[in-house]
Amino acid sequence: QLVLTQSPSASASLGASVKLTCTLSSGHSSYAIAWHQKQPEKGPRYLMKLNNDGSHIKGDGIPDRFSGSSSGAERHLIISSLQSEDEADYFCQTWGAGTVVFGGGTKLTVL
Amino acid sequence: QLQLQESGPGLVKPSETLSLICTVSGDSISSSSYYWGWIRQPPGKGLEWIGNVYYSGSTYYNLSLKSRVTISVDTPKSQFSLRLSSVTAADTAVYYCARHGSSSWLFDDWGQGTLVTVSS
Repeated sequence: QLVLTQSPSASASLGASVKLTCTLSSGHSSYAIAWHQKQPEKGPRYLMKLNNDGSHIKGDGIPDRFSGSSSGAERHLIISSLQSEDEADYFCQTWGAGTVVFGGGTKLTVL
Repeated sequence: QLQLQESGPGLVKPSETLSLICTVSGDSISSSSYYWGWIRQPPGKGLEWIGNVYYSGSTYYNLSLKSRVTISVDTPKSQFSLRLSSVTAADTAVYYCARHGSSSWLFDDWGQGTLVTVSS
């Protein structure tokens, strides 16, 4: 079964960097995913498509501070030079066999 | 620039049918490159995919909701719609419409969302 696993929460200091992780279930380590940002009172925002080789394609207007990397079944979202507006929920998403799957989301707190 | 806008009643009674429309502007809903989808987020919970529709009318649904869901497309109006029958309080959520590619089902554009509350 295709499942995406994320830690429920993360925190980092203003100006620092943070790495969020989304883990694909066994047997699905080659899958590409998307990262989305969900700020309070706003609709989700597509950040990037992240392939299993770490290559990624960002959405329009996404700052260079956002990047991605991959290692095996793990897909990482790296945010550098954290700003207060980066405090949000981050969801990963993938698909397979006619269905779409979301991770549970990670709530990022900027200290 | 693509814009997606959800509309519909914000309050639905239990056992009734929830109906929402997503209006697409800035791109053609008849493009063969995309599917159009619905996703929801109950209060305090994560995102749940409901289903999607192609411009031809072809659909895919979340198996857990399939018996209650109908998604359809109206290309002349540049709209697609969601109907969810026999709703309960568990269907209370913010409902989003979004777009993904026909070959890569990764959502790349989202609406702002609309809150639907199920209550008598």
